[in-house]
Amino acid sequence: TQLLEQSPQFLSIQEGENLTVYCNSSSVFSSLQWYRQEPGEGPVLLVTVVTGGEVKKLKRLTFQFGDARKDSSLHITAAQPGDTGLYLCAVNSGGSNYKLTFGKGTLLTVNP
Amino acid sequence: EAQVTQNPRYLITVTGKKLTVTCSQNMNHEYMSWYRQDPGLGLRQIYYSMNVEVTDKGDVPEGYKVSRKEKRNFPLILESPSPNQTSLYFCASSLRLAEFQETQYFGPGTRLLVL
Repeated sequence: TQLLEQSPQFLSIQEGENLTVYCNSSSVFSSLQWYRQEPGEGPVLLVTVVTGGEVKKLKRLTFQFGDARKDSSLHITAAQPGDTGLYLCAVNSGGSNYKLTFGKGTLLTVNP
Repeated sequence: EAQVTQNPRYLITVTGKKLTVTCSQNMNHEYMSWYRQDPGLGLRQIYYSMNVEVTDKGDVPEGYKVSRKEKRNFPLILESPSPNQTSLYFCASSLRLAEFQETQYFGPGTRLLVL
């Protein structure tokens, strides 16, 4: 059983559209991180959410942590080709703050 | 420039031939980690280290060894590589900003092919 389920697995949209991707689990987490990975590169940390119901914004990206701290969403407004990449969520697992488990990711393609 | 470096970036080897992938960070981070990334399986943690001489297993440690003799270096050792260790490997280092808030930096990756 996958600890983190990300959906959709693939998403292809046109420039200017809005989109939302999801990271869900049946477990409660103390924090959750979102990363973006571009082809041929390592993941880059975008944000960490800690409090249930928390909303964080990073330019056109809006991150929300579920009230119960079991799920999270990432909303992108007016997507641009530069947003193309693999979006990963990750949580601390196994009772350690340093043991990270990642979801399988959402591969986003934004077409010009 | 703050960075995590890995070497080599690409490696082709044969089954059973010991190899080491080096990882170095220049940010004085205490925490370092190794991951492998495979199609359909995602990014999985192999080992992590909370400080010098302190290491622990991640989700997929079998077939790998690590050491942390210095704060800046965290090499990944494959004593007897097998084809199922063909993968893309990432090293990462982390700074703890506050409780439950680490900022993590990933290296550029090492693509390994074991024949």
